[in-house]
Amino acid sequence: NAGVTQTPKFQVLKTGQSMTLQCAQDMNHEYMSWYRQDPGMGLRLIHYSVGAGITDQGEVPNGYNVSRSTTEDFPLRLLSAAPSQTSVYFCASSYSTGSTGELFFGEGSRLTVL
Amino acid sequence: GESVGLHLPTLSVQEGDNSIINCAYSNSASDYFIWYKQESGKGPQFIIDIRSNMDKRQGQRVTVLLNKTVKHLSLQIAATQPGDSAVYFCAESPGGSQGNLIFGKGTKLSVKP
Repeated sequence: NAGVTQTPKFQVLKTGQSMTLQCAQDMNHEYMSWYRQDPGMGLRLIHYSVGAGITDQGEVPNGYNVSRSTTEDFPLRLLSAAPSQTSVYFCASSYSTGSTGELFFGEGSRLTVL
Repeated sequence: GESVGLHLPTLSVQEGDNSIINCAYSNSASDYFIWYKQESGKGPQFIIDIRSNMDKRQGQRVTVLLNKTVKHLSLQIAATQPGDSAVYFCAESPGGSQGNLIFGKGTKLSVKP
């Protein structure tokens, strides 16, 4: 059971470039989300999805787009990367937003924008 | 805005001792709280959770205490082991679910052999 898989693990971009961080889960979880983690800031919610075809904004959505065409995948797109987006990004999933079950996190994707 | 915070950014304990990690929250609407452990280079891992209708919940070697009067949350780790060395985050959910969590900044626990 792979759990939550994120790719790539490391990426370096130049300002203005675009890229997509991939996230896939094989647990048939309805809920998926993206967080960014910066030193001294904890984790902040970027976007989330409660099911295929449904997405919503979190605390820090600017500069990021998401889509949820399937239950398994929840890619995060940076349309025009900025140095302020240098961070470690975590994808997470849970079988239900209304449950007290675990929120499963991926291993993270470390992004550097020059 | 309301936020979750931690009293101590770092904590160093001797192997075998008990550890207590504290967290203060300010959102009175939060009714669900979770502790996560994050080892270096890995994603956060769920440890234990508690709903606001409880004061205490126990797991394997861990206990979470909730004091709603002073809006305080703590994680107690019994007989701390080197494998417990990590950053610990508390998180709150104003909506009562794990879906949209507000994380604290984290406490680094170091266990000395």
